[in-house]
Amino acid sequence: NAGVTQTPKFQVLKTGQSMTLQCAQDMNHNSMYWYRQDPGMGLRLIYYSASEGTTDKGEVPNGYNVSRLNKREFSLRLESAAPSQTSVYFCASSRPGLAGDPARNEQFFGPGTRLTVL
Amino acid sequence: AQSVAQPEDQVNVAEGNPLTVKCTYSVSGNPYLFWYVQYPNRGLQFLLKYITGDNLVKGSYGFEAEFNKSQTSFHLKKPSALVSDSALYFCAVRAQDNYGQNFVFGPGTRLSVLP
Repeated sequence: NAGVTQTPKFQVLKTGQSMTLQCAQDMNHNSMYWYRQDPGMGLRLIYYSASEGTTDKGEVPNGYNVSRLNKREFSLRLESAAPSQTSVYFCASSRPGLAGDPARNEQFFGPGTRLTVL
Repeated sequence: AQSVAQPEDQVNVAEGNPLTVKCTYSVSGNPYLFWYVQYPNRGLQFLLKYITGDNLVKGSYGFEAEFNKSQTSFHLKKPSALVSDSALYFCAVRAQDNYGQNFVFGPGTRLSVLP
């Protein structure tokens, strides 16, 4: 099993450009997440998808959109990149828990995408 | 509101000595608590979790953590540190009955184990 994979690993954009970060998991997990990691701030949740066909905003959704393409894939799109979106982006997934609450289960993280917006 | 504090940005310990990485939290009700480790240029990896039951939780690579409800703490410990334990450690929390919320992660603590 590859676990959680992310593409690309690195990306440099100019302000105003758009791009899509891809994420896929082969563990048959229901829930998937997108985080950004900034120095001294830990991980902040951008969007999540509790199950196929559903997406919800996290703590810092502004400037981003997501698509849960199928059970395996969850993409993150920056429509008009800004320097404030320079960060490391992590995708994660987790198994469903009791009563549909995945919080009892650990999250599995991808290797990350390092994005720089000039 | 949920929150997590990791009061130390950096912890230095000599190889072979015991290590502690501190985590305190604030949630309404009972918490789910997790520790993750991040090695350079890698994603986070799960170490251990507290869901319910025994307050002392054992996890991967010889790590353990003790849930202390009265002190709202979940400190990560290891009896004998290895140089290979040097990494960034994150504590995460979510209230057990708060289905509408997601985990809050602490800012991370950088552990350096000196040979």
